[in-house]
Amino acid sequence: EVQLVESGGGLVQPGGSLRLSCATSELTISTNYMNWVRQAPGKGLEWVSVIYNGETTYYADSVKGRFTISRDNSKTTLYLQMSSLTPDDTAVYYCATGWFGEPRFDSWGQGTLVTVSS
Amino acid sequence: QSALTQPRSVSGSPGESVTISCTGTSSDIGAYNYVSWYQQHPGKAPKIVIYDVTKRPSGVPDRFSGSRSGNTASLTISWLQAEDEADYYCCSFAGAYTHYVFGSGTEVTVV
Repeated sequence: EVQLVESGGGLVQPGGSLRLSCATSELTISTNYMNWVRQAPGKGLEWVSVIYNGETTYYADSVKGRFTISRDNSKTTLYLQMSSLTPDDTAVYYCATGWFGEPRFDSWGQGTLVTVSS
Repeated sequence: QSALTQPRSVSGSPGESVTISCTGTSSDIGAYNYVSWYQQHPGKAPKIVIYDVTKRPSGVPDRFSGSRSGNTASLTISWLQAEDEADYYCCSFAGAYTHYVFGSGTEVTVV
């Protein structure tokens, strides 16, 4: 069974930065395409970013230029570096395994809450 | 890229069938055979129930089925059970630039 454990969420002021982590196994991070998906309180799901093999990355327009997805296979961890945060970024952030070019998110973590507020 | 359009809510009695629509465009749902559906219970992470328009992951009951016609995908839940009460989201590939777009979500109530 795939295990994904997010951490790093919390309260941050507008304009601030935060780095989220998603811990998993070596097998999972080396054989899967990894995604971040978020959900604002009481709202729907929004895809945020994906990292493919070879470090190819894609981002939603809403976070492009502000968020950076990366992974450290040796630490079996996926990251999401977030900067220039606004209240609209307030959400539960989930990491999820995926497939190349398919919206097939098979396994999800439990999520970590990011609150952007002064 | 706007979210795909889903009805806000649908309801049915135990044993009945309900169908949730997901309307997109010729740039997403109508262009690729890549539509998935997710079930989310309150306070829980989403769970995939359909991928590639019609395929069911292992362990998902065959009461869940998917289809597509033009720019609209649909999820049908047959023989509705109390445990099916949840929020459901569709998701489509939308090309390399936009990548993935989710639907607005549908609350399924078992009355």
